[in-house]
Amino acid sequence: SQQGEEDPQALSIQEGENATMNCSYKTSINNLQWYRQNSGRGLVHLILIRSNEREKHSGRLRVTLDTSKKSSSLLITASRAADTASYFCATENTDKLIFGTGTRLQVFP
Amino acid sequence: KAGVTQTPRYLIKTRGQQVTLSCSPISGHRSVSWYQQTPGQGLQFLFEYFSETQRNKGNFPGRFSGRQFSNSRSEMNVSTLELGDSALYLCASSRGGSGPEAFFGQGTRLTVV
Repeated sequence: SQQGEEDPQALSIQEGENATMNCSYKTSINNLQWYRQNSGRGLVHLILIRSNEREKHSGRLRVTLDTSKKSSSLLITASRAADTASYFCATENTDKLIFGTGTRLQVFP
Repeated sequence: KAGVTQTPRYLIKTRGQQVTLSCSPISGHRSVSWYQQTPGQGLQFLFEYFSETQRNKGNFPGRFSGRQFSNSRSEMNVSTLELGDSALYLCASSRGGSGPEAFFGQGTRLTVV
């Protein structure tokens, strides 16, 4: 399977703490994207990092990419209860998105 | 502008039946992709259409098929339904070409009994 893996599978933290999720993938990529999914609903695009970029920021989100290790991480700083959701990385190659297994994040108020 | 619209939202079918799901992409988007999401297998890529042509296909049996119309709307069809086809089916649209983000619909929850 081409599917990537995310680590941890589940993460529980308190509001105000930082949350870090890691993603490993298997094939060469054009870019890597992170998505968020609230329970059983559609996915929402968070951030995209291209294969020639190493780090990208968007608001409270920070994404890193290491193509030599085929891995990426998503850091959410100063988490809020509203950040509770599942987070997926997705690698894009030849116009096809391959999603990771996801991390379920729960933020307690 | 309107988002990606999937219909119906919920569907219950019996084993052996067939089903057609519909997806209307964001206006101006020419690429539509379909995904199956289950607790056991996660998000699995089904196929991608661009300007009425299937460009990519995932590892699903021939019972799963799709098409795209000239207005970019897409349908997917599953024939001879099996219990294991119960899933959330998600459609995503994008401008097409490497890089652009995908916009997802709310999905169709299919239950096969």
